[in-house]
Amino acid sequence: QQPVQSPQAVILREGEDAVINCSSSKALYSVHWYRQKHGEAPVFLMILLKGGEQKGHEKISASFNEKKQQSSLYLTASQLSYSGTYFCGTERGSSNTGKLIFGQGTTLQVKP
Amino acid sequence: EADIYQTPRYLVIGTGKKITLECSQTMGHDKMYWYQQDPGMELHLIHYSYGVNSTEKGDLSSESTVSRIRTEHFPLTLESARPSHTSQYLCASSLPGVKNIQYFGAGTRLSVL
Repeated sequence: QQPVQSPQAVILREGEDAVINCSSSKALYSVHWYRQKHGEAPVFLMILLKGGEQKGHEKISASFNEKKQQSSLYLTASQLSYSGTYFCGTERGSSNTGKLIFGQGTTLQVKP
Repeated sequence: EADIYQTPRYLVIGTGKKITLECSQTMGHDKMYWYQQDPGMELHLIHYSYGVNSTEKGDLSSESTVSRIRTEHFPLTLESARPSHTSQYLCASSLPGVKNIQYFGAGTRLSVL
């Protein structure tokens, strides 16, 4: 089952914050976050394994609530370079296959 | 930075032609993947490989086939291209271990007329 992302689209001004959510109806082994700019390949941002951890990368961080099967991506003090489409990819169950099911994506546009 | 290469980048071809999309990685990754992505849409896994001589279909049904004779090479073949095959095809490989972080190639944009 495909994870559901919300919101579908976000428009921000530089310096504003955003939160992108990813929800699954199935038990998850891991949640991956990728960013894809128009016409380019997806680029890995971070991974969260089951255990409810929170990870950070400069001004981008994420959390994983294992009980709710939800992950959130936090973008702080957004920059123009953050524009793109964000996808969460989920790996189900307890297996370590690497096979991901991606959400429908959240388009983020950061304006000056 | 990951080294994963896809050729061609763009391909326009007529209906009924046989095509092979190439994907190579130089990192020695065991796991490799093919995804199909329509413009503005999500990625769908169409093929997966655990390693040499190991392939299986993904969640999205596809008329394409793959082979994995060498670790570094994972080509995708369409025996008879149709307009419904028009899409972007992305290849990825992942690091060994529990995290399976995937690195993507630049993709092949296929247009079947």
